[in-house]
Amino acid sequence: AQSVTQLGSHVSVSEGALVLLRCNYSSSVPPYLFWYVQYPNQGLQLLLKYTSAATLVKGINGFEAEFKKSETSFHLTKPSAHMSDAAEYFCAVVPGGSNFGNEKLTFGTGTRLTIIP
Amino acid sequence: DTAVSQTPKYLVTQMGNDKSIKCEQNLGHDTMYWYKQDSKKFLKIMFSYNNKELIINETVPNRFSPKSPDKAHLNLHINSLELGDSAVYFCASSLAGVFSGANVLTFGAGSRLTVL
Repeated sequence: AQSVTQLGSHVSVSEGALVLLRCNYSSSVPPYLFWYVQYPNQGLQLLLKYTSAATLVKGINGFEAEFKKSETSFHLTKPSAHMSDAAEYFCAVVPGGSNFGNEKLTFGTGTRLTIIP
Repeated sequence: DTAVSQTPKYLVTQMGNDKSIKCEQNLGHDTMYWYKQDSKKFLKIMFSYNNKELIINETVPNRFSPKSPDKAHLNLHINSLELGDSAVYFCASSLAGVFSGANVLTFGAGSRLTVL
């Protein structure tokens, strides 16, 4: 089964420091990959997505992620953390080659990002 | 203006009761979903509907019954509630199947169900 693994359930960074949230996927064919963010007591919001175009994907709020097939990774980064980035971040995958009607967005277990003032 | 709206936002009930959660989207999307988020924040798909037709039905107890009267609505009815049903239930929608590369899910704010 296709899946994603997020290393680190909690990550703390200082305000202004680099944010790096890790995601590795398992897939026999290149998948579609997504990062979603969940702010407290809210639903999930798309940050960015990889759909087999450019391997470096830029998203909202200054986040970006790079698809690395050789490492089966899709890590999320932001050069300078802001207090408003504190949230839960989810990596998600849709298997490559999915047929319409059978595709499933499978989420990782999430990483809680805390920003230290 | 809310794109995907769920009601109620909070629901507290006793074991054995039957309850429903309603979801409506005004985005003109074709596909709607129910996800369950447990206390550890793990998100798992339960159902998806496309134009009122059931597409995905994960291994969910048959006490859970989704109903889609039209493509803008997907309701979730739960019979004989159990303690383990306590979770946050998220409704979501997408323009077509998620397979369509560019399509992403738009989530509602969630409905927190607590079973006592």
